[in-house]
Amino acid sequence: QLQLQESGPGLVKPSETLSLTCSVSGGSISSSSYYWGWIRQPPGNGLEWIGSIYYSGNTYYNPSLNSRVTISVDTSKNQVSLKLISVTAADTAVFYCARGSIPAGYSSSVYYFDYWGLGTLVTVSS
Amino acid sequence: QTVVTQEPSFSVSPGGTVTLTCGLSSGSVSTNYYPSWYQQTPGQAPRTLIYTTNTRSSGVPDRFSGSILGDKAALTITGAQADDESDYYCVLYMGSGNWVFGGGTKLTVL
Repeated sequence: QLQLQESGPGLVKPSETLSLTCSVSGGSISSSSYYWGWIRQPPGNGLEWIGSIYYSGNTYYNPSLNSRVTISVDTSKNQVSLKLISVTAADTAVFYCARGSIPAGYSSSVYYFDYWGLGTLVTVSS
Repeated sequence: QTVVTQEPSFSVSPGGTVTLTCGLSSGSVSTNYYPSWYQQTPGQAPRTLIYTTNTRSSGVPDRFSGSILGDKAALTITGAQADDESDYYCVLYMGSGNWVFGGGTKLTVL
């Protein structure tokens, strides 16, 4: 059974960099059938797609965050990482990592999130 | 940026049928937006219900169904149960690798 677990500091100061890691167990992140994505949810609010990375290393980011976000993979550790620079209080949220599965018969640009981590709360405050 | 619209809240009686919708601030949703639907209860991670418009995710009961109704994607729950009381989110593919979530619908079963 695939499991995803987010980890990282729960508190980040304004203007600093938020760094999170998603550790994947029960499956390889190096498969051509999957993307790996990050989604966040501010307290009391809805979900927001941050970005995704394909096994090839191609990355896709939410245009509203594009200049501040980097997603990468470490295949040796089976981990996916998220970095968000220059954070403000508006970046306070629960951050989820999720696997994006490409349905059979669809182009490789189409996927849906089928496995999710439990999420980790990151608070931006001095 | 295009906004994905959902009803903020909806209520349904136990055993009843409810249809939640997912639209665009400009334009119509079609299957080419590959809509998917997620259910989330407070404090929990989202659970996948439907993908590519109308395919149920593994283990999802067949009382959940997805479709395109008019110019929107739709999630229909037939025979609503108490534990269907959750937040429901749709997400649409906007092209160029970009996905946009709707604001979510809070469903009350009473």
